[in-house]
Amino acid sequence: DTAVSQTPKYLVTQMGNDKSIKCEQNLGHDTMYWYKQDSKKFLKIMFSYNNKELIINETVPNRFSPKSPDKAHLNLHINSLELGDSAVYFCASSQLTSGGTYEQYFGPGTRLTVT
Amino acid sequence: LAKTTQPISMDSYEGQEVNITCSHNNIATNDYITWYQQFPSQGPRFIIQGYKTKVTNEVASLFIPADRKSSTLSLPRVSLSDTAVYYCLVGGSSNTGKLIFGQGTTLQVKP
Repeated sequence: DTAVSQTPKYLVTQMGNDKSIKCEQNLGHDTMYWYKQDSKKFLKIMFSYNNKELIINETVPNRFSPKSPDKAHLNLHINSLELGDSAVYFCASSQLTSGGTYEQYFGPGTRLTVT
Repeated sequence: LAKTTQPISMDSYEGQEVNITCSHNNIATNDYITWYQQFPSQGPRFIIQGYKTKVTNEVASLFIPADRKSSTLSLPRVSLSDTAVYYCLVGGSSNTGKLIFGQGTTLQVKP
């Protein structure tokens, strides 16, 4: 059973278009995240939602808008796509452990290519 | 959040023990040390986490000295399938669960 799933796995689109990436987790976690991994493999957090509320919003262009309809879903909508948006986007979820820390579970990633 | 420093790459051979050391001089009192593994075209996967001394699970061991300014991930008897990028992170105990990933260590296991 897939714990964190993302759709689509690959997304090729042209500059200026608007696109969405969907994420779902079936782990019952209360916190979800979006990360961006660029061509140099650096993994940077973009957003985090806890119980449908935004708790982390890093320095990300406002063309990126996350939406959490419920605790199990965190979607990422991107307006006016630019070449620099090409990257792999990972969704993750986590829950506070009994030890007082968070272990994050990542999805398989969505490779976005903007042409 | 504390910054981490780890080697960019390491090579090893099958069957050897691999130790990857991470430096985190500015670790905070309530920070934990966590290691993630990432295979090509996959998301990172949790390996091990610790606060102090030594932690061992079925996959790896984590050694943390008393001052906690560094940590060493130990992979016993690596195989080709252990070829991956290994990330050392500190933090994870805040209510945001925010993690900062560094550049990671690319481990190449050779036959």
